[in-house]
Amino acid sequence: EPEVTQTPSHQVTQMGQEVILRCVPISNHLYFYWYRQILGQKVEFLVSFYNNEISEKSEIFDDQFSVERPDGSNFTLKIRSTKLEDSAMYFCASNRGMGSPLHFGNGTRLTVT
Amino acid sequence: SQELEQSPQSLIVQEGKNLTINCTSSKTLYGLYWYKQKYGEGLIFLMMLQKGGEEKSHEKITAKLDEKKQQSSLHITASQPSHAGIYLCGADNAGNMLTFGGGTRLMVKP
Repeated sequence: EPEVTQTPSHQVTQMGQEVILRCVPISNHLYFYWYRQILGQKVEFLVSFYNNEISEKSEIFDDQFSVERPDGSNFTLKIRSTKLEDSAMYFCASNRGMGSPLHFGNGTRLTVT
Repeated sequence: SQELEQSPQSLIVQEGKNLTINCTSSKTLYGLYWYKQKYGEGLIFLMMLQKGGEEKSHEKITAKLDEKKQQSSLHITASQPSHAGIYLCGADNAGNMLTFGGGTRLMVKP
């Protein structure tokens, strides 16, 4: 069964550094998402992406975050200058369209020191 | 904004016992998703409910959405150790932006 894949599974970075989290959504899906889960807290929506542009974003997704679909298969989340509070599990998800279930990857655990 | 409350927050059951997890929304639900998460892993889609009164089953797991569409329940019959994990409900807001509940951590004792 096709699945969403994320790399790396764990990323450690120093405060102020830039990180790029990578995702390969399911190939026939059209909508792509990033969510995050801070340890012990709820899974939170960051951003949705459709037709090569952001369709929705939350208050968390400020100017230090950006997303890109650099080619036909990858979907990336960039954090420009990481902060300690960015430490979390970041999940990529995709789906075929409105009203269809989101399929999640296994996540990237980001640790900012 | 929509808030989802799950109860209980954690649950320990003996293998073979039935259990129910509840998800209550602060607003009418237009799409309700149930996911299962194992520690350190991603969310696995279980079921989606959209209509008031809808009920769906898969293997030993049944999910219901009440008629008023503000509460959903997930029922597991004859629990097994493989059912252990964190169960999350998610509500579909405009634009497929899911709002999640805090999760219910289930442990099944053999």
